[in-house]
Amino acid sequence: EDQVTQSPEALRLQEGESSSLNCSYTVSGLRGLFWYRQDPGKGPEFLFTLYSAGEEKEKERLKATLTKKESFLHITAPKPEDSATYLCAVQARLRYGSSNTGKLIFGQGTTLQVKP
Amino acid sequence: ETGVTQTPRHLVMGMTNKKSLKCEQHLGHNAMYWYKQSAKKPLELMFVYSLEERVENNSVPSRFSPECPNSSHLFLHLHTLQPEDSALYLCASSFGGGRSYNEQFFGPGTRLTVL
Repeated sequence: EDQVTQSPEALRLQEGESSSLNCSYTVSGLRGLFWYRQDPGKGPEFLFTLYSAGEEKEKERLKATLTKKESFLHITAPKPEDSATYLCAVQARLRYGSSNTGKLIFGQGTTLQVKP
Repeated sequence: ETGVTQTPRHLVMGMTNKKSLKCEQHLGHNAMYWYKQSAKKPLELMFVYSLEERVENNSVPSRFSPECPNSSHLFLHLHTLQPEDSALYLCASSFGGGRSYNEQFFGPGTRLTVL
């Protein structure tokens, strides 16, 4: 069964204190792993897509990496504005139809709070 | 803004009401999705439309009825809902139908409360 598990559930950091968020997954035939940021009461905001083990992507203070079993979101010198819930998702094939349109399987998210 | 809009942003309804949620995407995508996000639970896929054809309904109760009149618009019709249906309903869009990946872009959501 396709599954995504994120840890920790919540993380509190001081401003400037670097850390990493973990996303472990099991999926039959990975077609992409996605990271999103979600602020309270808003929709998820797309951050990164990773396709193959060893791939890395960066955006400002965020860096996402991928292995065959997990992905990490590294946050370097975080600021209070980085406080949000970070969601990880993997793309799985739909059960019906011949379309390549995939479905995303989401983890429960990691809520990050960065204190000044 | 992500190019996906949803209306209304907030909705309070009784269990006997009928209401509709609307989603519109301005990204040129050809696949659209409805997700449900409840407190402390992962996002759950409800419906997928690709090239305006529904390809999966993910075992959603019949009190939720989707409609996709074209590739830019998606509706979720609601009737005789239950209090446990209270949640954030998110619309998303992506390229689909032949592409090898589909990054989905989300709207801001509709916060639904069922009394």
